[in-house]
Amino acid sequence: EAQVTQNPRYLITVTGKKLTVTCSQNMNHEYMSWYRQDPGLGLRQIYYSMNVEVTDKGDVPEGYKVSRKEKRNFPLILESPSPNQTSLYFCASSPRDRVHTQYFGPGTRLTVL
Amino acid sequence: SQQGEEDPQALSIQEGENATMNCSYKTSINNLQWYRQNSGRGLVHLILIRSNEREKHSGRLRVTLDTSKKSSSLLITASRAADTASYFCATDRGSYIPTFGRGTSLIVHP
Repeated sequence: EAQVTQNPRYLITVTGKKLTVTCSQNMNHEYMSWYRQDPGLGLRQIYYSMNVEVTDKGDVPEGYKVSRKEKRNFPLILESPSPNQTSLYFCASSPRDRVHTQYFGPGTRLTVL
Repeated sequence: SQQGEEDPQALSIQEGENATMNCSYKTSINNLQWYRQNSGRGLVHLILIRSNEREKHSGRLRVTLDTSKKSSSLLITASRAADTASYFCATDRGSYIPTFGRGTSLIVHP
């Protein structure tokens, strides 16, 4: 089944404790991206990647890192999480020829205490 | 920066009725898309309309785009309880950074 998977789905952590949210897609898509969704603000893009080893900042990249060492994986790293990063995070992927038709993962609900 | 803004914020209708929601944006765009999100889940892509198109259909969905008014509408005909969800528009200007609106919450009562 074609899908985007994220792990973990739920995470409660404390300020400053480094964490990684994994994202994997099995559709051989070139484009991958991360979003955060906050009440009243809609989705905002954090980072995106056009292909392996190619990443770029979205609208709200501060406090986040990403890497794209393999085509299928695009992990989101929070080196020192803070409470204002409490949010619902979504990973998405799309093929190069239909980059704006994105397939979303199920989401990761992160709480930083 | 918020580009697309959906209207209304919430919509409650009876099964069988049509649902119309609107999206307005501020600057010129290349594409506009509509997504659906069931509560707490990932978004599902519904339809993409390009700036040189005026109307597109997909099943019970009809999307219009008026670039002179910088607005789009999504019409769901003969709504069903399963259409209950939040609906988002997303715009892009040819970059890889789409801008999503805050969404319209649709409730369809059986």
